[in-house]
Amino acid sequence: NAGVTQTPKFRILKIGQSMTLQCTQDMNHNYMYWYRQDPGMGLKLIYYSVGAGITDKGEVPNGYNVSRSTTEDFPLRLELAAPSQTSVYFCASSYSSTGDINTEAFFGQGTRLTVV
Amino acid sequence: DQQVKQNSPSLSVQEGRISILNCDYTNSMFDYFLWYKKYPAEGPTFLISISSIKDKNEDGRFTVFLNKSAKHLSLHIVPSQPGDSAVYFCAAASNRDDKIIFGKGTRLHILP
Repeated sequence: NAGVTQTPKFRILKIGQSMTLQCTQDMNHNYMYWYRQDPGMGLKLIYYSVGAGITDKGEVPNGYNVSRSTTEDFPLRLELAAPSQTSVYFCASSYSSTGDINTEAFFGQGTRLTVV
Repeated sequence: DQQVKQNSPSLSVQEGRISILNCDYTNSMFDYFLWYKKYPAEGPTFLISISSIKDKNEDGRFTVFLNKSAKHLSLHIVPSQPGDSAVYFCAAASNRDDKIIFGKGTRLHILP
């Protein structure tokens, strides 16, 4: 099983450029998440989705947009890249709502983004 | 405001001994707690979890203890093995929303 797949794995962007980080999962999970990991800062939730057509902001949504047109895909869009968005981005999915045994989120390999 | 806190950025433990990783939380609404393990250049992988109605959950060498009154949980690894060297994230979730909140992580070094 592929699980959660993120593309690209690495990217260098110039300030002001835009890009979309792709995330797809083949586990038929309803819940999907985008996190960013900065050095020494753990994982911060950017956006999440509880199902197709539904998205919501996490802890650090500014500068990002998401869409969830299908169950499988949850792309993250950066419209005007800034150096502060240099980070490692992780997409994750889980089967059910948080708080029960199916809460465990499965993570992709990450996208390392550098904005210069 | 950090809701999930891992106050030790790193921990070194001799191979074969017990590793204890600690985590504190501030939100009493959390119902479920999880530990993730992360190797460099890989995504976090789920390790073990505990529901707020329990105070202990064990899976092989890994045991998680929950003290709700102290809003504290800990992960015990015994015996520690070289492959346990990684960053460990504590995470928490609530039935009332759909977010999983992570701590900053603790880097565990297992010494030969």
